[in-house]
Amino acid sequence: GENVEQHPSTLSVQEGDSAVIKCTYSDSASNYFPWYKQELGKRPQLIIDIRSNVGEKKDQRIAVTLNKTAKHFSLHITETQPEDSAVYFCAASNGNAGNMLTFGGGTRLMVKP
Amino acid sequence: DSGVTQTPKHLITATGQRVTLRCSPRSGDLSVYWYQQSLDQGLQFLIQYYNGEERAKGNILERFSAQQFPDLHSELNLSSLELGDSALYFCASSVTGGNSPLHFGNGTRLTVT
Repeated sequence: GENVEQHPSTLSVQEGDSAVIKCTYSDSASNYFPWYKQELGKRPQLIIDIRSNVGEKKDQRIAVTLNKTAKHFSLHITETQPEDSAVYFCAASNGNAGNMLTFGGGTRLMVKP
Repeated sequence: DSGVTQTPKHLITATGQRVTLRCSPRSGDLSVYWYQQSLDQGLQFLIQYYNGEERAKGNILERFSAQQFPDLHSELNLSSLELGDSALYFCASSVTGGNSPLHFGNGTRLTVT
């Protein structure tokens, strides 16, 4: 089955700096790659997603890039703010078996003011 | 508010007992997923249902079972509980079994003493 690895497990940045989180996946058939943000004690929330027919997608300070050949995708957060502090999860799905999303292990992002 | 309702919010029970967690998906969503999140851990996929039928199964223990009812709500049954079953259990729903975003409920925190 699909295996998603996420790095780094923790990331500390200064407010205003950029943060990059990287994920690799194993199943070349995977075609949907969402990112979720989970604040402490709360539910994961979708922040951005990308499908395999595009290489990059942006939404304000957040962008995701996808390299299908290398089977990796990344989350970029620019001009980080303290409220960006959370755990971020990447995930991958190939649409078979009913969209069984496989999640990465998570990255704890800490933005220091 | 994601529109996914999970009850109860908290559950405290003793080892060896059995509990039932309930999930009502967003209106219009046909797929329901269950995830387990242990303290400071990632999201472990348990099982997925689509329109009443089991669609995919992850690392779900034999002591655990689930079902989705005709009204699309789902229940996760955990039996012969062990201390290690203490975790946050999330339900999520999506429109179809394809590559559509998951919307998570607020979770049920299970504590086994």
